[in-house]
Amino acid sequence: DAKTTQPPSMDCAEGRAANLPCNHSTISGNEYVYWYRQIHSQGPQYIIHGLKNNETNEMASLIITEDRKSSTLILPHATLRDTAVYYCIARTIYNQGGKLIFGQGTELSVKP
Amino acid sequence: EAEVAQSPRYKITEKSQAVAFWCDPISGHATLYWYRQILGQGPELLVQFQDESVVDDSQLPKDRFSAERLKGVDSTLKIQPAELGDSAMYLCASSANQGAAYEQYFGPGTRLTVT
Repeated sequence: DAKTTQPPSMDCAEGRAANLPCNHSTISGNEYVYWYRQIHSQGPQYIIHGLKNNETNEMASLIITEDRKSSTLILPHATLRDTAVYYCIARTIYNQGGKLIFGQGTELSVKP
Repeated sequence: EAEVAQSPRYKITEKSQAVAFWCDPISGHATLYWYRQILGQGPELLVQFQDESVVDDSQLPKDRFSAERLKGVDSTLKIQPAELGDSAMYLCASSANQGAAYEQYFGPGTRLTVT
């Protein structure tokens, strides 16, 4: 699975959009980009994943660049409850085992 | 909504003692994962089960750690003897089946402190 790089921390004002970047310059064509988040003292929670098209669900939007070397997770209207560590993971669709390889993630602080 | 259950939530033990953690996955989920998360780092896989069989235990310190899922449902992770460096969050996750196509659902974790 390709290595991903994320900023260690970010701040966002409540009610504004939070844009969390991720670099995955060595990603291969059969690797998805997954995002998980972990609220303090809880287990990680799946947010969204995509291959090359932009994706949106009830939690967030995922924008993947055309060359697939980077992506951005967008929380359109951040709330205080979105304060968490966000993990970007590149994961091959041929990952037979399915294990997740987490990096350090981005600690997002949403401030009132 | 179905959830992954773990107990205990918190455990304090002295080094050289034995400690055990329990996980009950979402009903019907064939794949069960145990991850360890050291403070300030992301979770790291310790062991993965497919039904009752271990499919990946390459990162499990087998001299002191053991894991079982005897009937392919709930699972126990044991440490004997515990060392100071084992202080961490132990997370259990389950998915309907193994492979990247299946979403993993995590439990709340067990916070272990070894003194």
